[in-house]
Amino acid sequence: KAGVTQTPRYLIKTRGQQVTLSCSPISGHRSVSWYQQTPGQGLQFLFEYFSETQRNKGNFPGRFSGRQFSNSRSEMNVSTLELGDSALYLCASSSSTSGKETQYFGPGTRLLVL
Amino acid sequence: GDSVTQMEGPVTLSEEAFLTINCTYTATGYPSLFWYVQYPGEGLQLLLKATKADDKGSNKGFEATYRKETTSFHLEKGSVQVSDSAVYFCALLPYSGNTGKLIFGQGTTLQVKP
Repeated sequence: KAGVTQTPRYLIKTRGQQVTLSCSPISGHRSVSWYQQTPGQGLQFLFEYFSETQRNKGNFPGRFSGRQFSNSRSEMNVSTLELGDSALYLCASSSSTSGKETQYFGPGTRLLVL
Repeated sequence: GDSVTQMEGPVTLSEEAFLTINCTYTATGYPSLFWYVQYPGEGLQLLLKATKADDKGSNKGFEATYRKETTSFHLEKGSVQVSDSAVYFCALLPYSGNTGKLIFGQGTTLQVKP
C-alpha cells in the first residue's frame, strides 16, 4: 500500500498570504489528523476529520481550517499568514472509526513565511 | 489534561551501547502509547505501540513496556547503531474523547557515534 502523501513538500509565502496544503491518506483510511511541528512548541494537534466531518479540533485560531473530501483526501488552509506559522505541517491517517487507532504520518509540508 | 514527558536530550552514545529513553505520562483511563521516530527532513515513522497495561511493543530491536503502575513507557535497545540517530517521540492517544488527537512528548534527540 502506498503511504500517506502530502503536497507540496516545501512552500515559501509572505505575511498576509494564504496557503492550502493537501494530504492523501493510505487507501481505505477514513480518518485524517493534522499537526504543526515547530522547534519551540513541538508537535501540536490541529484537527481531525472523519467521513468529511471535523471530529476534533485543537487550540489554534480560526485562521487555520480544513476539510475532507469524499475520497478521504484532506486539505488544510491557513489564511493571513504570520511569521509564527512557519513550521512543518504533518498529516496522519488511520483506519479508525473510533479515532483510537494507530496513525501513520506523511513526510510533511515545510512552510516558511517571510 | 493528558500529557507526556520525555527525558531531555540530546543523548549521545557510542555504537553498540545500551539505550534507554524515559517516557512518563499523565492520562485518565487506559490510553494507547506509541513511540515514533523522525529522521532529518522526514515525517514521523511508527516505531512501536502498546494498547493496554503490561503490553510490550517491539520493532527493529527496540522495546517498550506499558507500565500502568508507574505510568511509564520507556524505550530501550540493547545495541544501538549509527543509523539509529534520530529524534524519538513518545505519544499517547487518549482513552476517551479527543478522537484522532495524539499527544506528544517534546522529543529526544539520539546521536550515535561510530
